[in-house]
Amino acid sequence: NAGVTQTPKFRVLKTGQSMTLLCAQDMNHEYMYWYRQDPGMGLRLIHYSVGEGTTAKGEVPDGYNVSRLKKQNFLLGLESAAPSQTSVYFCASTLQAGRYEQFFGPGTRLTVL
Amino acid sequence: KQEVTQIPAALSVPEGENLVLNCSFTDSAIYNLQWFRQDPGKGLTSLLLIQSSQREQTSGRLNASLDKSSGRSTLYIAASQPGDSATYLCAGLYNNNDMRFGAGTRLTVKP
Repeated sequence: NAGVTQTPKFRVLKTGQSMTLLCAQDMNHEYMYWYRQDPGMGLRLIHYSVGEGTTAKGEVPDGYNVSRLKKQNFLLGLESAAPSQTSVYFCASTLQAGRYEQFFGPGTRLTVL
Repeated sequence: KQEVTQIPAALSVPEGENLVLNCSFTDSAIYNLQWFRQDPGKGLTSLLLIQSSQREQTSGRLNASLDKSSGRSTLYIAASQPGDSATYLCAGLYNNNDMRFGAGTRLTVKP
């Protein structure tokens, strides 16, 4: 099993550009999450999904959109990138929230100039 | 507001020493607490998961405890090795989907 994979690994954007980050998991997990990690702040939840076709807002959702059209994929979109969105983005998944551990992808390092 | 704090931010110990990493949380209505390891430029690797009804979990040289009444969790590492050098993160799960992370403790084990 590949576990949780993320595409791309690195990306540089100019302010105002858009992009989509892809997360894929092959563990048949229901729950998927997007976090951002900034220096000295720990990870913060952006959006999450409790199953195919469902999404919900996390702690810091502004400026991001998500979609879960297939159970194994969770997409994070930035419609108009801002320098404040420079961060490392992590995707995670779990079989059942509250009962099992979350598994994380390797991260995407995004820089917005 | 649920906040998770890890002190100290950095810790350096000689090889072979036993050590304790601390994690505190402000809201005791926690579903579970998870400890992770993060190597530089890498993702998070899950170490231990403690459910709210449990007091501790063990895996090899690692032992994690949870005390909801005091809002504290500790990660005990026995006989530390240079390969244990990494950043250790704790995270508390609230409302089944809201996981709150500490900023981490960067551990260096010197040979």
